[in-house]
Amino acid sequence: DQQVKQNSPSLSVQEGRISILNCDYTNSMFDYFLWYKKYPAEGPTFLISISSIKDKNEDGRFTVFLNKSAKHLSLHIVPSQPGDSAVYFCAASLTGGGNKLTFGTGTQLKVEL
Amino acid sequence: DAGVTQSPTHLIKTRGQHVTLRCSPISGHKSVSWYQQVLGQGPQFIFQYYEKEERGRGNFPDRFSARQFPNYSSELNVNALLLGDSALYLCASSQQGRNYGYTFGSGTRLTVV
Repeated sequence: DQQVKQNSPSLSVQEGRISILNCDYTNSMFDYFLWYKKYPAEGPTFLISISSIKDKNEDGRFTVFLNKSAKHLSLHIVPSQPGDSAVYFCAASLTGGGNKLTFGTGTQLKVEL
Repeated sequence: DAGVTQSPTHLIKTRGQHVTLRCSPISGHKSVSWYQQVLGQGPQFIFQYYEKEERGRGNFPDRFSARQFPNYSSELNVNALLLGDSALYLCASSQQGRNYGYTFGSGTRLTVV
């Protein structure tokens, strides 16, 4: 049962343009959402998070949007840079859920020159 | 400052054998979590320890066990290895018992033949 889904396994964007990565979830009890970036041979690196009481959180070039009614969140990267090329994971957690993160399957972002 | 360190980085084992993976958290971090990442999937939660006590357990068989030591380092043990246990095993540490802002190590790549 995949509770967090990233339906696009890959995304290709030109340098300077916007990258939009999408994530859907099925468990309405999730109350905190995170995005991680992963380079090959490295562990995931925390990027940005959002609480379910908000619908937007911004940090530099990265913005996360949360639509609770649609159980959907997205990560916007503007402008995209070649160094952003990596696998991006969406993750969710719930209060009292044993402190675990439930991850999606990831989206491979390639930013082309 | 040293990040989360995991050892070994790579390991090859035969079916039926036992394996021990090790993790040293960031200095001052008292919480350690273990995740399994199978190729093409997102990380899956195995265990979380905080102040040397198990605080969460994922949907993994009893062949998987872990412990946390007084210095907050941790071991993940897997008995009776199966081919399906081949994966990247990630350790993450945090200052508190929650998952927010966990720092991941680079992982141990386990191959079972």
